[in-house]
Amino acid sequence: GAVVSQHPSWVICKSGTSVKIECRSLDFQATTMFWYRQFPKQSLMLMATSNEGSKATYEQGVEKDKFLINHASLTLSTLTVTSAHPEDSSFYICSARDRYGYTFGSGTRLTVV
Amino acid sequence: RKEVEQDPGPFNVPEGATVAFNCTYSNSASQSFFWYRQDCRKEPKLLMSVYSSGNEDGRFTAQLNRASQYISLLIRDSKLSDSATYLCVFEPGGSYIPTFGRGTSLIVHP
Repeated sequence: GAVVSQHPSWVICKSGTSVKIECRSLDFQATTMFWYRQFPKQSLMLMATSNEGSKATYEQGVEKDKFLINHASLTLSTLTVTSAHPEDSSFYICSARDRYGYTFGSGTRLTVV
Repeated sequence: RKEVEQDPGPFNVPEGATVAFNCTYSNSASQSFFWYRQDCRKEPKLLMSVYSSGNEDGRFTAQLNRASQYISLLIRDSKLSDSATYLCVFEPGGSYIPTFGRGTSLIVHP
């Protein structure tokens, strides 16, 4: 089946630094990649939709200057959390549509200290 | 009315029980429907698509009721390993932008 590879799986960073998360579709082309955030025991929250070769569409309340999304190719989308703060600590997951449904990356657990 | 309504549970059932979840949607243009399973601290994984005629995969049966705008998931002969959160997903026609339910927690105990 379709695979979306997400790295890193977990990261601990200092407050004020930036963290880049990568998602690659390994065996299919992902024109669109969805980025989600999930807090413990809560549902997935769509942050933004990235489209290959164009600007991402951000959900209301999500700061586009803080969460930079780049979708430079049909197989790679990146999310950069800039100037991270402890409140940005969360589980970040990407997802792309394949022929069967939505395939998710394995997620990145970000802890900002 | 919310776009998607899903009882968060938890549903606490003994092994071997039959359990059913429903998920209602408000967008009548929804064309594709899915059930996903999410284990604690893991990513969601596709459990099954939901077809108009209903579909079955082993102990799992999914149904779609367009008139009442809901989908259902039936799990027979529950196993301990079925303990997870089950998410319903809707996709409107002409757009691949999914809407997720908040998930229903299932706990299967010995």
